[in-house]
Amino acid sequence: KAGVTQTPRYLIKTRGQQVTLSCSPISGHRSVSWYQQTPGQGLQFLFEYFSETQRNKGNFPGRFSGRQFSNSRSEMNVSTLELGDSALYLCASSLKSLRGVQDTQYFGPGTRLTVL
Amino acid sequence: AQKITQTQPGMFVQEKEAVTLDCTYDTSDQSYGLFWYKQPSSGEMIFLIYQGSYDEQNATEGRYSLNFQKARKSANLVISASQLGDSAMYFCAMRENTGNQFYFGTGTSLTVIP
Repeated sequence: KAGVTQTPRYLIKTRGQQVTLSCSPISGHRSVSWYQQTPGQGLQFLFEYFSETQRNKGNFPGRFSGRQFSNSRSEMNVSTLELGDSALYLCASSLKSLRGVQDTQYFGPGTRLTVL
Repeated sequence: AQKITQTQPGMFVQEKEAVTLDCTYDTSDQSYGLFWYKQPSSGEMIFLIYQGSYDEQNATEGRYSLNFQKARKSANLVISASQLGDSAMYFCAMRENTGNQFYFGTGTSLTVIP
C-alpha cells in the first residue's frame, strides 16, 4: 500500500507570495492533519480535516488555510508569505478522525518551504 | 503544562548497545495512546511503536520496546542493539480520548557511535 505522498518536496518563494501544498493520504484513510516543523518551535499542529470538514485548528493566523477533497486528498495554502513561514510542512493521515486513541498517524516526507 | 516532555535533547550510544529515550506525559484522561516516531535527517516521520493506556503489557516491535509506567506517567522508548541507522530524532506523542489532536514532545536526537 502506498504511503502518504506530498508535493512538491521543495519550494522556494519570496515574501508576499502565496503557496499551495498537496497531500495524498494512504488509501482508505479519511483524516489528514498538517504540521509545521521549525528548529525553534518544533512540531506544531496546523489543522485536521476529516470527510472534507476542518475538525480542528491549531494556533496559526488566518493566512494558513486548507481543504480536503472528496477523495481525501488535502491541500494547504499559505498566503502573504513571511520569512518565518520557512519550515518543513508535514502531512499525516489516519483511518479515522483524530478522536480514537489507537488511531495512528502516518506521515508523508514533508514539503520543505523556504521563503526569501 | 506541557503534554509531552522529553528531557534529553541529545543522546549518544555505542553501536550494538541498548539505549533508553525518556518521555513523560500529562493527562487526566483514563484512555489515551502513546506513540513514538523516528525522524531521520531526510525529514519523514516514521511510526515506531504504540502503547494504549489500558494495555497491560509493554509494547514491543522488533528492536523497539516501550517501557510504560502508568503511575509515573512515563513511556520510555528502549532501542536494543543500536545500529548506525538508528541515528535520528525521536519524538514521543500522545493522543487523549477526549482530545482533538496529537501532542508531540520536543524530540531527542540520538547519535549511534561506531
